[in-house]
Amino acid sequence: NAGVTQTPKFQVLKTGQSMTLQCAQDMNHEYMSWYRQDPGMGLRLIHYSVGAGITDQGEVPNGYNVSRSTTEDFPLRLLSAAPSQTSVYFCASSPGAPGSPLHFGNGTRLTVT
Amino acid sequence: KNEVEQSPQNLTAQEGEFITINCSYSVGISALHWLQQHPGGGIVSLFMLSSGKKKHGRLIATINIQEKHSSLHITASHPRDSAVYICAVKNFGNEKLTFGTGTRLTIIP
Repeated sequence: NAGVTQTPKFQVLKTGQSMTLQCAQDMNHEYMSWYRQDPGMGLRLIHYSVGAGITDQGEVPNGYNVSRSTTEDFPLRLLSAAPSQTSVYFCASSPGAPGSPLHFGNGTRLTVT
Repeated sequence: KNEVEQSPQNLTAQEGEFITINCSYSVGISALHWLQQHPGGGIVSLFMLSSGKKKHGRLIATINIQEKHSSLHITASHPRDSAVYICAVKNFGNEKLTFGTGTRLTIIP
Protein backbone atom coordinates (compact mmCIF):
# COMPACT_ATOMS: atom_id res chain seq x y z
CA ASN A 1 0.00 0.00 0.00
CA ALA A 2 1.90 3.07 -1.26
CA GLY A 3 -0.26 5.76 0.43
CA VAL A 4 0.32 9.22 -1.04
CA THR A 5 3.03 9.42 -3.71
CA GLN A 6 4.49 12.74 -4.80
CA THR A 7 6.86 13.26 -7.70
CA PRO A 8 9.41 14.66 -8.24
CA LYS A 9 11.21 14.97 -4.90
CA PHE A 10 13.36 17.85 -6.11
CA GLN A 11 12.99 20.28 -8.99
CA VAL A 12 14.82 23.38 -10.17
CA LEU A 13 13.05 25.71 -12.61
CA LYS A 14 13.93 28.94 -14.30
CA THR A 15 11.59 31.90 -13.95
CA GLY A 16 8.77 31.61 -16.47
CA GLN A 17 8.94 27.85 -16.92
CA SER A 18 5.91 25.70 -16.24
CA MET A 19 5.71 22.30 -14.62
CA THR A 20 3.36 19.85 -12.96
CA LEU A 21 3.83 18.34 -9.53
CA GLN A 22 2.24 14.92 -9.40
CA CYS A 23 0.25 13.49 -6.49
CA ALA A 24 -1.39 10.08 -6.42
CA GLN A 25 -3.06 8.11 -3.64
CA ASP A 26 -4.20 4.50 -3.62
CA MET A 27 -6.49 4.64 -0.57
CA ASN A 28 -9.66 5.74 -2.41
CA HIS A 29 -9.69 8.98 -0.45
CA GLU A 30 -12.19 11.63 -1.51
CA TYR A 31 -10.36 14.64 -0.07
CA MET A 32 -7.01 15.77 -1.50
CA SER A 33 -5.12 18.98 -0.97
CA TRP A 34 -1.89 20.80 -1.81
CA TYR A 35 0.11 22.86 0.69
CA ARG A 36 3.28 24.87 0.55
CA GLN A 37 5.68 25.14 3.47
CA ASP A 38 7.94 28.15 3.82
CA PRO A 39 10.46 28.89 6.59
CA GLY A 40 8.85 30.50 9.64
CA MET A 41 5.33 29.96 8.33
CA GLY A 42 2.80 27.23 8.83
CA LEU A 43 1.69 25.03 5.98
CA ARG A 44 -0.60 27.02 3.71
CA LEU A 45 -3.38 25.56 1.61
CA ILE A 46 -3.05 26.15 -2.14
CA HIS A 47 -5.97 24.16 -3.60
CA TYR A 48 -8.11 21.29 -2.46
CA SER A 49 -10.64 18.81 -3.82
CA VAL A 50 -13.51 17.00 -2.10
CA GLY A 51 -13.94 14.50 -4.92
CA ALA A 52 -13.36 13.79 -8.60
CA GLY A 53 -14.39 16.75 -10.72
CA ILE A 54 -14.53 19.17 -7.78
CA THR A 55 -11.76 21.60 -6.86
CA ASP A 56 -11.61 24.81 -4.85
CA GLN A 57 -9.11 27.47 -3.92
CA GLY A 58 -7.25 27.61 -0.65
CA GLU A 59 -5.37 30.42 1.01
CA VAL A 60 -2.65 30.97 -1.63
CA PRO A 61 -3.98 29.82 -5.03
CA ASN A 62 -2.45 32.45 -7.34
CA GLY A 63 -0.03 31.04 -9.89
CA TYR A 64 -1.27 27.47 -9.47
CA ASN A 65 -3.87 25.33 -11.20
CA VAL A 66 -5.30 21.96 -10.25
CA SER A 67 -7.63 19.36 -11.72
CA ARG A 68 -9.19 16.18 -10.34
CA SER A 69 -10.22 13.92 -13.19
CA THR A 70 -9.89 10.76 -11.10
CA THR A 71 -10.15 9.94 -7.40
CA GLU A 72 -6.50 8.84 -7.36
CA ASP A 73 -4.70 11.80 -8.94
CA PHE A 74 -4.48 15.49 -8.03
CA PRO A 75 -1.73 17.25 -10.03
CA LEU A 76 -0.60 20.80 -9.24
CA ARG A 77 0.44 22.96 -12.19
CA LEU A 78 2.72 25.97 -11.97
CA LEU A 79 1.78 28.10 -14.94
CA SER A 80 4.77 30.46 -15.07
CA ALA A 81 7.21 29.84 -12.23
CA ALA A 82 8.37 32.76 -10.11
CA PRO A 83 11.09 32.89 -7.41
CA SER A 84 8.31 33.46 -4.85
CA GLN A 85 7.15 29.93 -5.57
CA THR A 86 10.37 28.46 -4.21
CA SER A 87 9.07 26.28 -1.42
CA VAL A 88 8.43 22.74 -0.24
CA TYR A 89 5.13 21.40 -1.53
CA PHE A 90 3.08 18.71 0.19
CA CYS A 91 0.12 16.78 -1.07
CA ALA A 92 -2.29 15.25 1.45
CA SER A 93 -5.39 13.08 1.34
CA SER A 94 -8.06 11.90 3.75
CA PRO A 95 -11.18 9.74 3.54
CA GLY A 96 -13.38 12.82 3.67
CA ALA A 97 -15.41 12.03 6.75
CA PRO A 98 -15.43 14.99 9.14
CA GLY A 99 -12.19 15.14 11.08
CA SER A 100 -10.53 12.22 9.29
CA PRO A 101 -6.76 11.91 9.75
CA LEU A 102 -4.56 13.27 7.00
CA HIS A 103 -2.05 11.26 4.97
CA PHE A 104 0.84 13.28 3.55
CA GLY A 105 3.17 12.69 0.67
CA ASN A 106 6.92 13.07 1.22
CA GLY A 107 7.07 16.52 -0.31
CA THR A 108 8.61 18.20 -3.36
CA ARG A 109 11.38 20.75 -2.88
CA LEU A 110 11.07 23.32 -5.65
CA THR A 111 13.61 26.03 -6.39
CA VAL A 112 12.87 28.74 -8.94
CA THR A 113 15.88 30.75 -10.10
CA LYS B 1 -9.47 33.33 9.44
CA ASN B 2 -8.51 31.24 12.41
CA GLU B 3 -5.28 32.24 14.07
CA VAL B 4 -3.31 29.28 15.42
CA GLU B 5 -0.54 29.87 17.94
CA GLN B 6 1.84 27.22 19.19
CA SER B 7 4.14 27.40 22.17
CA PRO B 8 6.94 27.05 22.73
CA GLN B 9 8.53 27.56 19.30
CA ASN B 10 11.58 25.57 20.35
CA LEU B 11 12.00 23.09 23.18
CA THR B 12 15.09 21.19 24.26
CA ALA B 13 14.82 18.57 26.98
CA GLN B 14 16.72 15.65 28.44
CA GLU B 15 15.75 12.10 27.62
CA GLY B 16 13.05 10.87 29.98
CA GLU B 17 11.46 14.26 30.63
CA PHE B 18 7.72 14.90 30.34
CA ILE B 19 7.04 17.20 27.39
CA THR B 20 4.09 19.55 26.83
CA ILE B 21 3.42 21.45 23.61
CA ASN B 22 0.54 23.91 23.46
CA CYS B 23 -1.80 25.07 20.70
CA SER B 24 -4.33 27.90 20.93
CA TYR B 25 -6.75 29.04 18.27
CA SER B 26 -9.02 32.06 17.94
CA VAL B 27 -12.25 30.76 16.38
CA GLY B 28 -14.39 27.71 17.15
CA ILE B 29 -13.40 24.59 15.26
CA SER B 30 -14.82 21.20 14.27
CA ALA B 31 -11.53 19.30 14.68
CA LEU B 32 -7.89 19.70 15.60
CA HIS B 33 -4.96 17.71 14.24
CA TRP B 34 -1.55 17.09 15.74
CA LEU B 35 1.14 16.27 13.18
CA GLN B 36 4.79 15.26 13.45
CA GLN B 37 7.35 16.37 10.89
CA HIS B 38 10.57 14.36 10.95
CA PRO B 39 13.99 15.90 10.29
CA GLY B 40 13.85 14.33 6.81
CA GLY B 41 10.71 16.36 6.07
CA GLY B 42 7.97 13.72 6.08
CA ILE B 43 4.73 14.58 7.90
CA VAL B 44 2.77 12.03 9.92
CA SER B 45 -0.65 12.47 11.48
CA LEU B 46 -0.56 11.75 15.23
CA PHE B 47 -4.06 12.62 16.43
CA MET B 48 -7.34 14.09 15.33
CA LEU B 49 -9.44 15.50 18.19
CA SER B 50 -12.85 17.09 18.41
CA SER B 51 -13.22 16.77 22.19
CA GLY B 52 -11.63 15.26 25.27
CA LYS B 53 -8.43 13.28 25.23
CA LYS B 54 -6.66 10.66 23.14
CA LYS B 55 -3.67 8.46 23.94
CA HIS B 56 -1.35 6.50 21.71
CA GLY B 57 1.64 4.91 23.34
CA ARG B 58 3.64 7.65 25.08
CA LEU B 59 1.70 10.44 23.37
CA ILE B 60 -1.38 12.07 24.85
CA ALA B 61 -3.44 14.83 23.23
CA THR B 62 -6.10 16.87 24.99
CA ILE B 63 -8.43 19.60 23.84
CA ASN B 64 -10.52 22.15 25.75
CA ILE B 65 -13.14 23.46 23.35
CA GLN B 66 -14.35 26.23 25.67
CA GLU B 67 -10.83 27.61 26.16
CA LYS B 68 -9.86 27.03 22.49
CA HIS B 69 -6.72 25.21 23.57
CA SER B 70 -5.06 21.86 22.97
CA SER B 71 -1.96 20.23 24.42
CA LEU B 72 0.27 17.43 23.20
CA HIS B 73 2.14 15.55 25.91
CA ILE B 74 5.01 13.12 25.52
CA THR B 75 5.86 10.90 28.47
CA ALA B 76 9.32 9.38 28.97
CA SER B 77 10.71 11.36 26.03
CA HIS B 78 13.32 9.75 23.78
CA PRO B 79 15.76 11.18 21.21
CA ARG B 80 13.64 9.63 18.44
CA ASP B 81 10.84 12.02 19.49
CA SER B 82 12.98 14.89 18.16
CA ALA B 83 10.87 16.47 15.42
CA VAL B 84 8.68 19.44 14.63
CA TYR B 85 5.15 19.09 16.05
CA ILE B 86 2.43 20.94 14.17
CA CYS B 87 -1.10 21.80 15.23
CA ALA B 88 -3.80 22.31 12.58
CA VAL B 89 -7.44 23.28 13.02
CA LYS B 90 -10.45 22.64 10.83
CA ASN B 91 -13.08 25.35 10.85
CA PHE B 92 -16.79 24.66 10.86
CA GLY B 93 -18.44 24.51 7.48
CA ASN B 94 -15.46 23.97 5.22
CA GLU B 95 -12.64 21.55 4.52
CA LYS B 96 -9.81 24.03 4.96
CA LEU B 97 -7.14 23.60 7.60
CA THR B 98 -5.18 26.38 9.29
CA PHE B 99 -1.75 25.37 10.57
CA GLY B 100 0.44 26.60 13.38
CA THR B 101 4.10 27.28 12.66
CA GLY B 102 5.22 24.26 14.67
CA THR B 103 7.24 23.46 17.78
CA ARG B 104 10.75 22.16 17.22
CA LEU B 105 11.48 19.53 19.89
CA THR B 106 14.99 18.25 20.57
CA ILE B 107 15.54 15.45 23.08
CA ILE B 108 19.12 15.10 24.29
CA PRO B 109 20.33 11.62 25.34
